[in-house]
Amino acid sequence: EIVMTQSPATLSVSPGERATLSCRASQSVSSCLGWYQQKPGQAPRLLIYDASTRATGIPARFSGSGSGTEFTLAISSLQSEDFAVYYCQQYDKWPLTFGGGTKVEIK
Amino acid sequence: EVQLLESGGGLVPPGGSLRLSCAASGFTFSNYAMTWVRQAPGKGLEWVSSISGSGVNTYYTDSVKGRFTISRDNSKNTLYLQMNSLRAEDAAIYYCAKDTGTGESLRNHFDYWGQGTLVTVSS
Repeated sequence: EIVMTQSPATLSVSPGERATLSCRASQSVSSCLGWYQQKPGQAPRLLIYDASTRATGIPARFSGSGSGTEFTLAISSLQSEDFAVYYCQQYDKWPLTFGGGTKVEIK
Repeated sequence: EVQLLESGGGLVPPGGSLRLSCAASGFTFSNYAMTWVRQAPGKGLEWVSSISGSGVNTYYTDSVKGRFTISRDNSKNTLYLQMNSLRAEDAAIYYCAKDTGTGESLRNHFDYWGQGTLVTVSS
């Protein structure tokens, strides 16, 4: 099973600042990597797929990069609605696996 | 508008069974693979099972193989998860999610999710 490791576990950021979240795979997943946002009491929302493609309706301040084993989600200027937990997910091999999540909180 | 509505969760004793349902609307259900993902209270996301658009191809995480069965009724636009021999570690919110891939092609990322149904396993 491919293990996905996210860092940091918690990221404290002021509104308007840039946030950078990391995701590492235990083996190469090529570009088969997605990012999801989850707010308390809500279902996850797809932000990025294929490592760098924004899903429909996702603002341009969200960007994804990386390939192989190292991936990054960047949020260029944090808005109040962006404070949430973010998960990466690999879909290169079965079983599909998620990272443990990064909580982005208000500094 | 795409909508996914899960039901069937509840309290069940260890060793018991439940059948979850996910009623879909707003898209051509039979054209898309579907998935179940679960989340234990306060924990992260865990993929459970996926099924192709026709229902022919199914996939499971190892911990549920032989105990859970995913299926779909395309005439009723409904996805199911039959869960048998439930264990304490199966307790979670179960989400159904729509795959972005069409037909028999699973892309394995998920663009629409239901609000989830809670399964509690306790005596």
